[in-house]
Amino acid sequence: KAGVTQTPRYLIKTRGQQVTLSCSPISGHRSVSWYQQTPGQGLQFLFEYFSETQRNKGNFPGRFSGRQFSNSRSEMNVSTLELGDSALYLCASSWGLGSYEQYFGPGTRLTVT
Amino acid sequence: DAKTTQPPSMDCAEGRAANLPCNHSTISGNEYVYWYRQIHSQGPQYIIHGLKNNETNEMASLIITEDRKSSTLILPHATLRDTAVYYCIVRDPMEYGNKLVFGAGTILRVKS
Repeated sequence: KAGVTQTPRYLIKTRGQQVTLSCSPISGHRSVSWYQQTPGQGLQFLFEYFSETQRNKGNFPGRFSGRQFSNSRSEMNVSTLELGDSALYLCASSWGLGSYEQYFGPGTRLTVT
Repeated sequence: DAKTTQPPSMDCAEGRAANLPCNHSTISGNEYVYWYRQIHSQGPQYIIHGLKNNETNEMASLIITEDRKSSTLILPHATLRDTAVYYCIVRDPMEYGNKLVFGAGTILRVKS
């Protein structure tokens, strides 16, 4: 059974640009969550999607947005990139809301210069 | 903010049991205890979870005190591949959905 896949794995962008990251959950999983990991702030929850609807949102500015498609694949977008957005962005999938186990992808390493 | 307190780091000899403590003194009745680990440069990996009773799976055992204010994750025979950051998380899945609030975790170093 294939795991969670994230593309691209590595990305370098310039300040002011925007970026879109993609996450394909495990087959059959309908919930996708996104996290940002930085050395200073650790792992922080961005948002969660279930059945194409955002169910939960973390404390991030509006520049961070996401969506989920009917096949449960999800994308997150960061507009007007700042240096502080450099981070590892992780996606996690699970069967549904309130799942006990969540499965994380390998992450996308974003560097903003 | 994370609702758990963990030691910043621990060392363990290869082949010995690794016992990782976690304090969650404000845990509520509907909150479960979850453990995840993150090996360097990888995404976190689910290990185990429990509500009241002790739990065991192929990876580890989870011991929860009777008052539920603390717990211990036990890796029975630690190997070098168990070197990772271990996160103890408490959450009510019905209240917060799948949101996980990670603290700083415990860096476990398994040494040969």
